[in-house]
Amino acid sequence: GAVVSQHPSWVICKSGTSVKIECRSLDFQATTMFWYRQFPKQSLMLMATSNEGSKATYEQGVEKDKFLINHASLTLSTLTVTSAHPEDSSFYICSVRYRENQPQHFGDGTRLSIL
Amino acid sequence: GQNIDQPTEMTATEGAIVQINCTYQTSGFNGLFWYQQHAGEAPTFLSYNVLDGLEEKGRFSSFLSRSKGYSYLLLKELQMKDSASYLCAPMDSNYQLIWGAGTKLIIKP
Repeated sequence: GAVVSQHPSWVICKSGTSVKIECRSLDFQATTMFWYRQFPKQSLMLMATSNEGSKATYEQGVEKDKFLINHASLTLSTLTVTSAHPEDSSFYICSVRYRENQPQHFGDGTRLSIL
Repeated sequence: GQNIDQPTEMTATEGAIVQINCTYQTSGFNGLFWYQQHAGEAPTFLSYNVLDGLEEKGRFSSFLSRSKGYSYLLLKELQMKDSASYLCAPMDSNYQLIWGAGTKLIIKP
């Protein structure tokens, strides 16, 4: 069964809206959670790495004020896309990892469409 | 720099065998993962190799040669549902996965 729950799966909203995406680890407490973005026919792009209780580490070029990440507990991380614009439309996917040398398990992803 | 090289697209016939090759260069190495990603969906974990050799898991096998920076994913008895992208993702010294664009596999009847 699924080990990662991501909600919502689909969001359509107006430009300027802020959107929150939730990622939950269901089976175990996750040491690390990752947030990715994927544009059509392109590779996964890591946006940030998140550990419980500490600030997220953002990849170069990702605006931390635009993409707010809160890893409030060992089982929950949220990504908030603030003041979203059409260029933020993409497929956002979270993943969890329980130990460093173990695979990342992905949520089902959130398809975000900004009108 | 870090990079991954996989064929962009491959085509195979239902019931056949296909091998998807991957060469990589990373800063340090902590193993290599293969993921499957169907169109419009998130990736799912297939296999992990950290030592040289072949790991077999049902219809799928994965091979690693660390000295050559080379891995392959072997899919046997292909089924239509195997049509997907296959992502080779080595892990660097910081335990970060390096992602390429993957190989799109098309299965024909």
